[in-house]
Amino acid sequence: DIQMTQSPSSLSASVGDRVTITCRASQSINRYLNWYQQKPGTAPKLLISAASSLQSGVPSRFSGSGSGTDFTLTISSLQPEDFATYYCQQSYSTLLLTFGGGTKVEIK
Amino acid sequence: QVQLVESGGGVVQPGRSLRLSCAASGFTFSSYAMHWVRQAPGKGLEWVTVVSYDGSKKSYIDSVRGRFTISRDDSKDTLYLQMDSLRAEDTAVYYCVREGYGYYGSGTYFYFDYWGQGTLVTVSS
Repeated sequence: DIQMTQSPSSLSASVGDRVTITCRASQSINRYLNWYQQKPGTAPKLLISAASSLQSGVPSRFSGSGSGTDFTLTISSLQPEDFATYYCQQSYSTLLLTFGGGTKVEIK
Repeated sequence: QVQLVESGGGVVQPGRSLRLSCAASGFTFSSYAMHWVRQAPGKGLEWVTVVSYDGSKKSYIDSVRGRFTISRDDSKDTLYLQMDSLRAEDTAVYYCVREGYGYYGSGTYFYFDYWGQGTLVTVSS
């Protein structure tokens, strides 16, 4: 199984801060990496697919990068609506998908 | 618009069974692979199982293999999850999820583009 490790597991930041979340795969997954945002009591929402492709309607302050085993989600200027939990997910192994443990972004 | 509506959750005793349903609308259901993803209370997301668009391929996470069965009825645009021999650790919100795909460069990439609202399964005596 491909293990996905996210860091940090939580962070505190202020509105306007630049925030970076990392995700590491236990083996190379090329660019088969997706990012999701989840707010309390709601289903996750797809932000980025194929490591860096921003989904329609997602603000441009979100960006993704990386390939192989190391990936990054960056929020260039944190907004109040961005406080949520973020998950990475590998889709390299399509019959055994795995998520990272999540990163909770909280208000400082 | 795409909609996925789960039903069938509830409280069940350990060792008993439950069947979840997911009614799909707003897209050609028979063209998409479908998944179940769960989330235990206060925990992260865990992928559970997938069925291919034509039902020919199914895969499960180790902890549910042999106890859970995914199926689909394309005539009803409905996805199912039969859960047998339930355990306390199966307690979670279960999401029905569509597998979308896109073409980037020379590859086809897969992702979860639409999620249902989730249905809570509680396994407790």
